[in-house]
Amino acid sequence: DAKTTQPPSMDCAEGRAANLPCNHSTISGNEYVYWYRQIHSQGPQYIIHGLKNNETNEMASLIITEDRKSSTLILPHATLRDTAVYYCIVRVSNYGGSQGNLIFGKGTKLSVKP
Amino acid sequence: DVKVTQSSRYLVKRTGEKVFLECVQDMDHENMFWYRQDPGLGLRLIYFSYDVKMKEKGDIPEGYSVSREKKERFSLILESASTNQTSMYLCASTPALAGGVNEQFFGPGTRLTVL
Repeated sequence: DAKTTQPPSMDCAEGRAANLPCNHSTISGNEYVYWYRQIHSQGPQYIIHGLKNNETNEMASLIITEDRKSSTLILPHATLRDTAVYYCIVRVSNYGGSQGNLIFGKGTKLSVKP
Repeated sequence: DVKVTQSSRYLVKRTGEKVFLECVQDMDHENMFWYRQDPGLGLRLIYFSYDVKMKEKGDIPEGYSVSREKKERFSLILESASTNQTSMYLCASTPALAGGVNEQFFGPGTRLTVL
């Protein structure tokens, strides 16, 4: 079962920041938070990951609360092409018996509107 | 650019047929995965492989087998296709863990319909 909770859907105006929340209240100390997205009819795409510090890359920023029980993915200037399902996943850093497979929940369907 | 390719985007087969889904990655990754994705169920792991000729069962291996004869290629086989195997099949790869974390690279998916 997925260990995260996300709202099923969100809307965002084009050009505005999209803030996608994720709750992971049972996260363990050695688990990372990963974000992926899946644009319709394509495979999932990695966005960003973090452990406890905030992270930023060319696609997005990841804000993790101090207690690590929740996080927010921020797309600073959403475009129509950012319309997708966004998945928040927690996973240990070391590959165990499943060699690092990802457990995807239902994600958040983000709709960016003109 | 890293790339994972799958042999077909869309496939239609009949019940009882043997079906081969091919996945190729050009990144020299050790680990490869096969998932299926169904509405309301998310992605579920079928099989994975962490080396040539090595394979491990995932969460839902029944009705499937896999083959990894070369590092870059991971094949999913449906020995006798059934209608409940109609799904989107996704292949992914990732390098072997080296003390850190790695992202998974996914192919575009194969939408299989079994009639």
